[in-house]
Amino acid sequence: QVQLVESGGGEVQPGGSLRLSCAASGLTFSSFDMHWVRQAPGKGLECVAVISYDGSKKSYADSVKGRFTISRDNSKNTLYLQMNSLRAEDTAVFYCVREKKGADYYFDYWGQGTLVTVSS
Amino acid sequence: DIQMTQSPSSLSASVGNRVTITCRASQSISSNLNWYQQKPGKAPKLLIYGASILQSGVPSRFSGGGSGTDFTLTISSLQPEDFATYYCQQSHSTPMYTFGQGTKLEIK
Repeated sequence: QVQLVESGGGEVQPGGSLRLSCAASGLTFSSFDMHWVRQAPGKGLECVAVISYDGSKKSYADSVKGRFTISRDNSKNTLYLQMNSLRAEDTAVFYCVREKKGADYYFDYWGQGTLVTVSS
Repeated sequence: DIQMTQSPSSLSASVGNRVTITCRASQSISSNLNWYQQKPGKAPKLLIYGASILQSGVPSRFSGGGSGTDFTLTISSLQPEDFATYYCQQSHSTPMYTFGQGTKLEIK
């Protein structure tokens, strides 16, 4: 079955960097657009970045534009999120999410999430 | 950007009750509306897509409706496992989709 497993979270000081990874299995990874969705403690869900199935198109939320970079390696079935210039308000659980596209578009598979804490 | 507004933000109900959660979009999104359920410490789970299509494996007590700007999620008879937070999401404005702020459903 489909599995998305995030890693790379942890505690970092403001201004620091982290790289998240998401290992995918049980799916033809190269066929799907992939997203990073975050959730600050006690808050709602926010899409922060999306990458097309072949990596040719990327989009970012305004809140992370210029600081975060999404990428993928289809030969390794892995999604990445490079996060630079981290701020306290970036503290959140980050989920790797598959987008299903057909007659409708929706997020059908989510990873378990990885916690990023930005604190001095 | 399309804004999504859910109401109520929280709701108390009893097992067996029928409950309805509303989601309003700031502009027409046709039927490009999805619903997710999230339990504490867990990732969200897709319940309904295309405004009214039940995801495989989701109990039939869940139903969705609406189109344009106004949508509903109804649970016909609450079960203990349904107490959770529910989010709507628009998938009309690609590629960055937006969520509602969530509705926390609690046991009365």
